Amino acid sequence: TQLLEQSPQFLSIQEGENLTVYCNSSSVFSSLQWYRQEPGEGPVLLVTVVTGGEVKKLKRLTFQFGDARKDSSLHITAAQPGDTGLYLCAGRNSGNTPLVFGKGTRLSVIA
Amino acid sequence: EADIYQTPRYLVIGTGKKITLECSQTMGHDKMYWYQQDPGMELHLIHYSYGVNSTEKGDLSSESTVSRIRTEHFPLTLESARPSHTSQYLCASNRLAGYNEQFFGPGTRLTVL
Repeated sequence: TQLLEQSPQFLSIQEGENLTVYCNSSSVFSSLQWYRQEPGEGPVLLVTVVTGGEVKKLKRLTFQFGDARKDSSLHITAAQPGDTGLYLCAGRNSGNTPLVFGKGTRLSVIA
Repeated sequence: EADIYQTPRYLVIGTGKKITLECSQTMGHDKMYWYQQDPGMELHLIHYSYGVNSTEKGDLSSESTVSRIRTEHFPLTLESARPSHTSQYLCASNRLAGYNEQFFGPGTRLTVL
């Protein structure tokens, strides 16, 4: 069974601070996705990374896929209360296999 | 914007009742999934489907059943609900091709008394 380990599990920071969350595995993934979920809603896709070493930016969010395609990170610059939520990484090993989800990082940004 | 719908959004029922959670998507996606998630916790895959007449069990053992008679519709049924079934149920879908970005519905919050 492939596992995606996310860290930290919980993170509480002040508005304006920077933060990084991590998603690590011993397995290679053909693609990796990051989702954000707010309470009472379904996860919403933020980004998909597919190439080792790839970096994608989405406003204040920067996503990186490790060179070996086994890990990924999400960096948020100048966090805002609207960034609060559960951040999930998910990887796919090959074509038709279901996504493997990490357990998530629960982020709370305090104004 | 994803077009995947779940009904009801909230359901409170008594033990022993039969319930069906509805999920529909208008994107023509072949693959559909059901996840179970306790508040703020990890997702557990309970069922998935590759297309019409295809259903598979996921990683988490579940007493629920699913059917896939039409591409757009993937209902989940509990024959006899129990308090241990209390949870949030999320439906998702994606295309067979491409990077398989998964789109989620808003979820059904089920409470069994």
